[in-house]
Amino acid sequence: QKEVEQDPGPLSVPEGAIVSLNCTYSNSAFQYFMWYRQYSRKGPELLMYTYSSGNKEDGRFTAQVDKSSKYISLFIRDSQPSDSATYLCAMQGSARQLTFGSGTQLTVLP
Amino acid sequence: KAGVTQTPRYLIKTRGQQVTLSCSPISGHRSVSWYQQTPGQGLQFLFEYFSETQRNKGNFPGRFSGRQFSNSRSEMNVSTLELGDSALYLCASSRDSTYNEQFFGPGTRLTVL
Repeated sequence: QKEVEQDPGPLSVPEGAIVSLNCTYSNSAFQYFMWYRQYSRKGPELLMYTYSSGNKEDGRFTAQVDKSSKYISLFIRDSQPSDSATYLCAMQGSARQLTFGSGTQLTVLP
Repeated sequence: KAGVTQTPRYLIKTRGQQVTLSCSPISGHRSVSWYQQTPGQGLQFLFEYFSETQRNKGNFPGRFSGRQFSNSRSEMNVSTLELGDSALYLCASSRDSTYNEQFFGPGTRLTVL
């Protein structure tokens, strides 16, 4: 079993929809939780990070962490075609290295 | 502020050859990490360097090695290339802090024929 499991894609939604992206993890040592966005042929770009359980909002993006259930989510409101990309969850424990989910490819249709 | 730069962007090699990839971190960042990204395995951690010392290492064979220079620039080397080494190799830099906020470069796409 992988330490981080991410909902498989691909995911296709109409413009303006709310998108929910999810990851679960098994390693209780993970302390920091991140979401990266990766466009085709580009490096991952950090979108959000959270430390504690709860919600963190940044514009149209909301990151949610539930440490008791070992579950994290990223919500995108009013999705735009420019949001079409692969979204990667990533987690960090005391070892500093990032452990990534497999990624969810999102397409927002105009 | 300039981002992380990686050279070359694309590389084609044949089995058995070796390759060296280069990464220049964001100015002021002292930690450099390397990752391998493939469709089958996703993003996997290779190693991290800080102050010219390898601080952390992933589960890759000894054919994968790296180093960091005094200006924080880093190189990774893969010897005796195998077909399975074809991947996007990503470099990420960060300040040395508890939270390892990593900024990625565009990657080097290596194709092994």
